[in-house]
Amino acid sequence: AQKITQTQPGMFVQEKEAVTLDCTYDTSDQSYGLFWYKQPSSGEMIFLIYQGSYDEQNATEGRYSLNFQKARKSANLVISASQLGDSAMYFCAMRENAGGTSYGKLTFGQGTILTVHP
Amino acid sequence: GAVVSQHPSRVICKSGTSVKIECRSLDFQATTMFWYRQFPKQSLMLMATSNEGSKATYEQGVEKDKFLINHASLTLSTLTVTSAHPEDSSFYICSAMSGGHFTDTQYFGPGTRLTVL
Repeated sequence: AQKITQTQPGMFVQEKEAVTLDCTYDTSDQSYGLFWYKQPSSGEMIFLIYQGSYDEQNATEGRYSLNFQKARKSANLVISASQLGDSAMYFCAMRENAGGTSYGKLTFGQGTILTVHP
Repeated sequence: GAVVSQHPSRVICKSGTSVKIECRSLDFQATTMFWYRQFPKQSLMLMATSNEGSKATYEQGVEKDKFLINHASLTLSTLTVTSAHPEDSSFYICSAMSGGHFTDTQYFGPGTRLTVL
């Protein structure tokens, strides 16, 4: 079974509008971390935002916020006021504690290609 | 955020040759480094996890003798693709983290595009 599911292969948004990229996850761990990365066409992976399983508040970083719904096991990324430079592939990832044996491994979703139109 | 460099950014080699890719953490000590492979428009596939001073842990299906990983110091890990073949052509990307807690962030290098002719 997929541990991280991103159901939107591609999304389009108008410049200055907000967009939500979906991510659901599957884990039996109580302790885990959720990450979002941006990958522009250049290939580098840029860390955007982190949400811990015990965090009660939704994480925010500038124009990025994470809509964390623990009971539904979803961690959607919200980008406000989209810019042309936001066009990229976006990956949701999870790190499980796995009893301390995960060694920090991340499991990635399949990614969503976001295109921002002027 | 922390900076991870990768060298070279692009390499073209002939079939049968070996290629070494370096991954460096520039402003922090990386206790753990990871090597990923990515095909176009696909997700990252973890190849191996390396801890400084110990042998790398390879994911299932990744050939240890084909993809040699060395993590000689807290700031440097290398991936050597031995006897490269065209099917090894891919985008290789490393990441580094300074801790092992599930809250610690992995920072990624810019990637290396390998083309084997």
